[in-house]
Amino acid sequence: DTEVTQTPKHLVMGMTNKKSLKCEQHMGHRAMYWYKQKAKKPPELMFVYSYEKLSINESVPSRFSPECPNSSLLNLHLHALQPEDSALYLCASSAAGTGEEKLFFGSGTQLSVL
Amino acid sequence: AQTVTQSQPEMSVQEAETVTLSCTYDTSESDYYLFWYKQPPSRQMILVIRQEAYKQQNATENRFSVNFQKAAKSFSLKISDSQLGDAAMYFCAYRSPTSGTYKYIFGTGTRLKVLA
Repeated sequence: DTEVTQTPKHLVMGMTNKKSLKCEQHMGHRAMYWYKQKAKKPPELMFVYSYEKLSINESVPSRFSPECPNSSLLNLHLHALQPEDSALYLCASSAAGTGEEKLFFGSGTQLSVL
Repeated sequence: AQTVTQSQPEMSVQEAETVTLSCTYDTSESDYYLFWYKQPPSRQMILVIRQEAYKQQNATENRFSVNFQKAAKSFSLKISDSQLGDAAMYFCAYRSPTSGTYKYIFGTGTRLKVLA
């Protein structure tokens, strides 16, 4: 299984809603990532978890809250988002530290904030 | 800090022809990883090819090959026998090998159009 699975594929939410994005991988990867991508732009790193601990937070606003319940799961909790947060949110994983460095991406969640 | 530059915002190629996408990077490290990722209209990011800097041999994957020039800090992607399915955004990316470093640095991308 070389897949990273993201749900939901599409999400529309109001600025007062609370929602969560989910990401799952069963490749035994110990590094998991959240990226934000605007149209026609490269992915922007938001968070990195390594061995279930938050390793990188790229100064992301607190309305985005990541969680790594176990080595296979990664969540992104969303609360009080702004319309400018509308974007494609990509999850990725990698076998960091093994010499087999490469990112495996999920298919993304297209988020629209109204 | 490392940077990745893709100077071609858009390229076009005729079906069955060959096209080369350019990527340059800046780093002071001697060992690192370089990647080309493809993002078709579905927006799924797909790894096309990977190169380890300590390997002098250029990586190849079927119709995709790279021209890795370490001294020039250049990492171009050649697509041979272009197919309609190759139409996508292509991102060049760099990753430091330093343990505990998880950042992949992406270029701004090149949009490839394949003409029938």
